[in-house]
Amino acid sequence: DAGVTQSPTHLIKTRGQQVTLRCSPKSGHDTVSWYQQALGQGPQFIFQYYEEEERQRGNFPDRFSGHQFPNYSSELNVNALLLGDSALYLCASSFLSMADEQFFGPGTRLTVL
Amino acid sequence: GNSVTQMEGPVTLSEEAFLTINCTYTATGYPSLFWYVQYPGEGLQLLLKATKADDKGSNKGFEATYRKETTSFHLEKGSVQVSDSAVYFCALSPYSGAGSYQLTFGKGTKLSVIP
Repeated sequence: DAGVTQSPTHLIKTRGQQVTLRCSPKSGHDTVSWYQQALGQGPQFIFQYYEEEERQRGNFPDRFSGHQFPNYSSELNVNALLLGDSALYLCASSFLSMADEQFFGPGTRLTVL
Repeated sequence: GNSVTQMEGPVTLSEEAFLTINCTYTATGYPSLFWYVQYPGEGLQLLLKATKADDKGSNKGFEATYRKETTSFHLEKGSVQVSDSAVYFCALSPYSGAGSYQLTFGKGTKLSVIP
């Protein structure tokens, strides 16, 4: 049984560019959450998707947007990249009925130059 | 708002030493509490959880007890191994049961165990 997978593993972009990160949830999970983990910090919640709708959002600007597809996979888009967006982006999946048990992927390391 | 404070690292211990990593939280209501572990180059793994006061979560020799009176959830292990070297995160989510969960994490504590 595959766990949560994310692509790409690493990504380098320049300021002002746009980026799309992808996540496939653990088999059977219907809910996907995204987190940003800056170096040396704990993850910070960006938003959560269920049934292709954004259910909850953390304190992130509108430059951060997402999407969930009918197969429950998800994308995170970041526009107008800033240097401060450099971080590890983590995807977590869960069942909505047990959303306190979130399974994390290995993350995508984004570097903005 | 919700917040989690955990002891500053790094923590370096000899193999078979006793481990305590302190975690305190601020939250309204009755949050669920978690410890996650992050091994080098990997994502976070749920280590243990507790969903109500006085619950004890345990896994792989690690334990933590939900203390509402002190708003704490300290992680302990009686005898650490080199393989326990990792970063440990304390976290909370504001609700228990079905619904939408926003995990709030502490900054993490890096543990290094030397032979």
